[in-house]
Order: sequence, then structure tokens, then C-alpha cells
Amino acid sequence: EVQLVESGGGLVQPGRSLRLSCAASGFTFDDYAMHWVRQAPGKGLEWVSGISWNSGSIGYADSVKGRFTISRDNAKNSLYLQMNSLRAEDTALYYCAKAKSLDMTTAIMDVWGQGTTVTVSS
Amino acid sequence: DIQMTQSPSSLSASVGDRVTITCQASQDISNYLNWYQQKPGKAPKLLIYDASNLETGVPSRFSGSGSGTDFTFTISSLQPEDIATYYCQQYDNLPGSFGPGTKVDIK
Repeated sequence: EVQLVESGGGLVQPGRSLRLSCAASGFTFDDYAMHWVRQAPGKGLEWVSGISWNSGSIGYADSVKGRFTISRDNAKNSLYLQMNSLRAEDTALYYCAKAKSLDMTTAIMDVWGQGTTVTVSS
Repeated sequence: DIQMTQSPSSLSASVGDRVTITCQASQDISNYLNWYQQKPGKAPKLLIYDASNLETGVPSRFSGSGSGTDFTFTISSLQPEDIATYYCQQYDNLPGSFGPGTKVDIK
């Protein structure tokens, strides 16, 4: 069964850091690009970041550029999101999603995890 | 960045009705357009990719069309299990922006 399981969310104070993880199983992880998408409470979906199969191509939303870093470890079938200088507006449910292709720019997300909640508050 | 709009923002229809949602891009995105379904408390699910391709396992009552800036998503015969919010998403240019969503419920 193809599965993505996110972890690492929690309550964090503004300005602090958090690292999200996404464990993949049931497919050949290094054959596909991966993405992070978030959803603020009661709001719509926002693409956050994407990474190609070999980490050679990476992209970020303007809202997180310079603060968030996406990475992957193909040997561990894992995707990460390092989030620094967190702000209240980063509060959201963060989803990990598998792309249909190797290429990060072909952002067709065909498998999604259940998400991990990040709350930024003092 | 490319802006995506959807209409209507919500709709109520009867079981068996044909339901149509439109999505408009702020610039030409060719056919780089996906549709997702999100049920309450659940993760999004890919239904249609590249404007008109039905994802494997998705019922054939769902369909998509369009190219350039104007796109349409259709449920040919609304079923109770289709209650959800539907989002379009472009990937012609990063960020892969989503539309604001259309909430569909049963009348």
C-alpha cells in the first residue's frame, strides 16, 4: 500500500524552529518528486515547497523562501521540511504529497499523507 | 505568480444532478491544471490531472475540460459521497497555486 506518514508537528513559539518528516512506503521513493502543501485552519490549500527525485531541483513559495528548507533522504525513504523563524501565519496542517513524476515542476500530487499540525503561538 | 479563481464558492444540488465548477487562471497555463477533492477532515485526493485525465480509480462521473485560462470540472450525477470541497491547481509555473475551493453539498 502506498503510504505517506508525516510527523514532527507541534506547538512552537514565534521565531523558533521545527522539523517535519514524512516517511514513505509502498513505492520506489527515489523515482518521484515530493511536495509539502499546507492548509491553515478553515482555509484553502497552499503549496509550500517541492523537491525533485535527486534533490537537484527545489522550489519554495514566496511566503516561506529563506525560512524553510526542504530535503530528502532517498536511502531512508524520507522527506523533510526544516522550518525556521516561524510566524503565527505558518500555523497550519502540513501535508506531504508524492508527485506523479521525477520532476518537481510537474506538480501533480497523486498521493497525500494525513498531515501534521503546526501551531505557532506564544 | 499565477492567480486561480473558482466559481461558485459553494453550491447545493440534489442527488443525481449535474454539477459544474469553473476555474480560471490569470494567464495561459495550457493544460497544466489539476482537480482535487477534499472531504471534511481528510487529505486532498487527486481526481483529474492535465485538465482532462481521470486519475486511476476515480469514478467516471467526474470529468474535466479546458485549456489556456478557462477550465471546467463536472460531476455528471451527484452522489452523497461527493460532498466535499473541490480545488483546482495549476502547475504551469511555480508556485503551484490552488484555487480558493468550491464547497459542494446536497440539497
